[in-house]
Amino acid sequence: SAVISQKPSRDICQRGTSLTIQCQVDSQVTMMFWYRQQPGQSLTLIATANQGSEATYESGFVIDKFPISRPNLTFSTLTVSNMSPEDSSIYLCSVGYRGSEQYFGPGTRLTVT
Amino acid sequence: QKEVEQDPGPLSVPEGAIVSLNCTYSNSAFQYFMWYRQYSRKGPELLMYTYSSGNKEDGRFTAQVDKSSKYISLFIRDSQPSDSATYLCAMSRNAGNMLTFGGGTRLMVKP
Repeated sequence: SAVISQKPSRDICQRGTSLTIQCQVDSQVTMMFWYRQQPGQSLTLIATANQGSEATYESGFVIDKFPISRPNLTFSTLTVSNMSPEDSSIYLCSVGYRGSEQYFGPGTRLTVT
Repeated sequence: QKEVEQDPGPLSVPEGAIVSLNCTYSNSAFQYFMWYRQYSRKGPELLMYTYSSGNKEDGRFTAQVDKSSKYISLFIRDSQPSDSATYLCAMSRNAGNMLTFGGGTRLMVKP
């Protein structure tokens, strides 16, 4: 399986600021995804990060709030902009591998005060 | 109605018990089915991946898919305290596509 790392692992941020989360994979992958897991909840897809083109966002998520970059086949970033306490969540990147298998990074635990 | 329903638990069993975890889904377009295990403060770990209806076994874990009933299950034999975690079912319509998750079942295996 792919080895996925995320930075930072956790952060505490002030309301109104922005945080950029990095996701690094140890091999080239076509599909990368960003999910959010709110406290005590399951995972919800934010967007699909496409290499060489704009990300595809799910309903309820917009590019101005969650801009995504995908400069190459091993790296992606998700920015959480103009944060509010409601953005406190775990943010996870995942990669598609060998067809439909998806593997997840360890997550970034974000607390907004 | 959610696309994927999963009993949230918590499910508490004694060590050595057989555990049955289940999900139902409403969209017949789902073709790929996965089970993830998530320990507290960790990312989800892929346990089982299936495509066709029927059973798939891997060690103490068996995944079962019944597409006609839109029902999937994960069985854990000889459960161990280390199996205590949240188990998430997930499914997708196409290969490499986004996953739709169930709400997760919290499992506690008591020594």
